[in-house]
Amino acid sequence: DVKVTQSSRYLVKRTGEKVFLECVQDMDHENMFWYRQDPGLGLRLIYFSYDVKMKEKGDIPEGYSVSREKKERFSLILESASTNQTSMYLCASNEGYGYTFGSGTRLTVV
Amino acid sequence: DAKTTQPPSMDCAEGRAANLPCNHSTISGNEYVYWYRQIHSQGPQYIIHGLKNNETNEMASLIITEDRKSSTLILPHATLRDTAVYYCIVRFSGGSNYKLTFGKGTLLTVNP
Repeated sequence: DVKVTQSSRYLVKRTGEKVFLECVQDMDHENMFWYRQDPGLGLRLIYFSYDVKMKEKGDIPEGYSVSREKKERFSLILESASTNQTSMYLCASNEGYGYTFGSGTRLTVV
Repeated sequence: DAKTTQPPSMDCAEGRAANLPCNHSTISGNEYVYWYRQIHSQGPQYIIHGLKNNETNEMASLIITEDRKSSTLILPHATLRDTAVYYCIVRFSGGSNYKLTFGKGTLLTVNP
């Protein structure tokens, strides 16, 4: 069964910490994505990558960066976590039609 | 990508067909209609997609009107596990536009 795996299901971090959210896919997909999901705002695209070492800003990239050193791994980095980055973070990969999402990481910044 | 309009919520009795509508009146000729669903506290799950012909798979059927301005996702025998938010998305397939833009979707509640 094909999978997108996010390293943590729940995470609590302190304001100002550098936070790494990891995502790994086993489908050899070219494209990978990071979304955040907040009540009333739906899913919003943060960054995506269409190849190793390539990245594109999504709709809300401020306060985030990404890293794609290997095809199967796409990391989301919060350089200095803030309370307004408390959210559900969803990783996805795609090649062709369907997107496959991970189960999500619920991040709380205190 | 074309904008979509879905009802915010719908109810359905267990075992009955659930018919979820979506309007996409500004769809262009090379845009596909995609359906995803999100069960509470999980990531979205791909259901089905189509261009202009009706499509069916093991999960659902997709009926697209002849003018392509609206579509209906049909779950033929809804179960309690089908309770989820259903998203209708219109987008190009391939090219450089990889982004999938989610609206607010329809919360389908399947009742016993």
